[in-house]
Amino acid sequence: DAGVTQSPTHLIKTRGQQVTLRCSPKSGHDTVSWYQQALGQGPQFIFQYYEEEERQRGNFPDRFSGHQFPNYSSELNVNALLLGDSALYLCASSLGTSGSYNSPLHFGNGTRLTVT
Amino acid sequence: DAKTTQPNSMESNEEEPVHLPCNHSTISGTDYIHWYRQLPSQGPEYVIHGLTSNVNNRMASLAIAEDRKSSTLILHRATLRDAAVYYCILRVANYGQNFVFGPGTRLSVLP
Repeated sequence: DAGVTQSPTHLIKTRGQQVTLRCSPKSGHDTVSWYQQALGQGPQFIFQYYEEEERQRGNFPDRFSGHQFPNYSSELNVNALLLGDSALYLCASSLGTSGSYNSPLHFGNGTRLTVT
Repeated sequence: DAKTTQPNSMESNEEEPVHLPCNHSTISGTDYIHWYRQLPSQGPEYVIHGLTSNVNNRMASLAIAEDRKSSTLILHRATLRDAAVYYCILRVANYGQNFVFGPGTRLSVLP
């Protein structure tokens, strides 16, 4: 049973460019969220997708956008990259939203984005 | 968001029990206590969660104080593989996937 998979594992971009990160949730999961983890810090919530709609959003600018596809996979897009966007981007999945307080999150191993 | 306080780091010897504390004095009645851990170069991994009663699973035990203002994650026999950053998180019921992670406790396990 495949867990959460993310691609690519590493990425180097130049300031001002745009990037797209991809995530496939654990089999059977329909809810996906994205987190940003700077070096030495805990993950910070970006947003959550359920039924192809953004349901919750953390304190991130509009440069961060996402999408969820009918097969529940998801993309995170970041426009106009800044040096401060360099981080590990984590995708997490779970089953449903209303009962998700009792449903643990399953995380992928992340995409390491470096902005130069 | 309710906040948690954890020690920055702890050390344990292999095969000894480890007690990882977490303070959450502003917890509300509907907040679940979740623990995740993050091994080097990996995403966070679910460990355990509970509301009021102590909980046990194959990975660990969670002891929750009677007033719920603190909790302790117990690893019964630490192994080298348990070296990780451990996060204690309060999760509001029915509040989706917005987990508020703090800096966590970095656990070192000595052989």
